[in-house]
Amino acid sequence: DVKVTQSSRYLVKRTGEKVFLECVQDMDHENMFWYRQDPGLGLRLIYFSYDVKMKEKGDIPEGYSVSREKKERFSLILESASTNQTSMYLCASSFKLGTDNQPQHFGDGTRLSIL
Amino acid sequence: QKEVEQNSGPLSVPEGAIASLNCTYSDRGSQSFFWYRQYSGKSPELIMFIYSNGDKEDGRFTAQLNKASQYVSLLIRDSQPSDSATYLCAVNKDNYGQNFVFGPGTRLSVLP
Repeated sequence: DVKVTQSSRYLVKRTGEKVFLECVQDMDHENMFWYRQDPGLGLRLIYFSYDVKMKEKGDIPEGYSVSREKKERFSLILESASTNQTSMYLCASSFKLGTDNQPQHFGDGTRLSIL
Repeated sequence: QKEVEQNSGPLSVPEGAIASLNCTYSDRGSQSFFWYRQYSGKSPELIMFIYSNGDKEDGRFTAQLNKASQYVSLLIRDSQPSDSATYLCAVNKDNYGQNFVFGPGTRLSVLP
């Protein structure tokens, strides 16, 4: 079974802090994704990565950065946390090529509160 | 027009009935289609995928795809209260799995 592990289920931080969310997958997936999910707004893509050290902006990258130094690990960084970044953050991963349907597999999510 | 559209619901069905969830998409070049179930406060869980026109069955779930109409649906037979969740339709628009678009989800409520 695919395992995508997010470092924290719940996290509380203060405004202005630098926040790191970590995600690790054990399936040798090339693609990794960070989403946030808010009531009424659905899943919104923040960033994705298709290879080590490669990254692409998603729909809402402002205020975030990412790091992918190893294939299995994809980190989301909130440079200076703000209250409007309070949300559920979801990491996902998938194969890039060689698989017909390439579903994304999700971690359990991190519910982040910025006070 | 949004890329992937779903009725937000809630869709209420009695226990034992068939629940029908619908999804339309705008990009004719879309390659494959996925249904995810998401319980409140949890992450999305893959139920099934389909990439050829027609029906695909997996237990109580049937996915239906009509590329000409740009329409994909999920049928849940013998609905159970445990099926109460939000169902997300997702569309893969390329061959690399990097252009994934999720619909807003339909909330299903199965009434005992």
